Amino acid sequence: NAGVMQNPRHLVRRRGQEARLRCSPMKGHSHVYWYRQLPEEGLKFMVYLQKENIIDESGMPKERFSAEFPKEGPSILRIQQVVRGDSAAYFCASSPPILTSGRNEQFFGPGTRLTVL
Amino acid sequence: EDQVTQSPEALRLQEGESSSLNCSYTVSGLRGLFWYRQDPGKGPEFLFTLYSAGEEKEKERLKATLTKKESFLHITAPKPEDSATYLCAVQAGYSSASKIIFGSGTRLSIRP
Repeated sequence: NAGVMQNPRHLVRRRGQEARLRCSPMKGHSHVYWYRQLPEEGLKFMVYLQKENIIDESGMPKERFSAEFPKEGPSILRIQQVVRGDSAAYFCASSPPILTSGRNEQFFGPGTRLTVL
Repeated sequence: EDQVTQSPEALRLQEGESSSLNCSYTVSGLRGLFWYRQDPGKGPEFLFTLYSAGEEKEKERLKATLTKKESFLHITAPKPEDSATYLCAVQAGYSSASKIIFGSGTRLSIRP
């Protein structure tokens, strides 16, 4: 059973460009979460999505950042007009449907390391 | 405000020297407390979930315990391969699936 997959693993962008980060959850998982980790800091929650719905975006910056989890395909975290402060590791996690599995652990992907020049 | 505090920030042990990592939390409506291990350049690896005070879970040289205010991750006779950052996280609130709030982690280094 493949784990959470993220791509690309490394992404370099110049200031002002757009960054698109992709996440494919574990098979059977219907909940996706995005977290950001700055160097030497902890993981910070950004957004929680289910298929075609944003459930909680309380950690998402109000401007330039957006996320989606379409009916088909991976979840996408999109950062427009990137700035140097966006440089970080972005992690995606997924969890199974609680009602059927009874479990709420989140399993993480390997992350995408974004560098803004 | 929900908060998770881990101590110490860093811990260096000799191989075989047992110790404990601490995670203190203040949350409204704890749904679960999680321990993860993170190696440099990798994503967090799930270790344990604890749901209620008094609960304990074990895996190899690690044992996690939970009280109403804190959790401990006990490491017994550690080996160099146990070196990593250990993250504590809590899931709070009243939804069956919701965000996790992470502590800053404890960087554990085991010397051979």
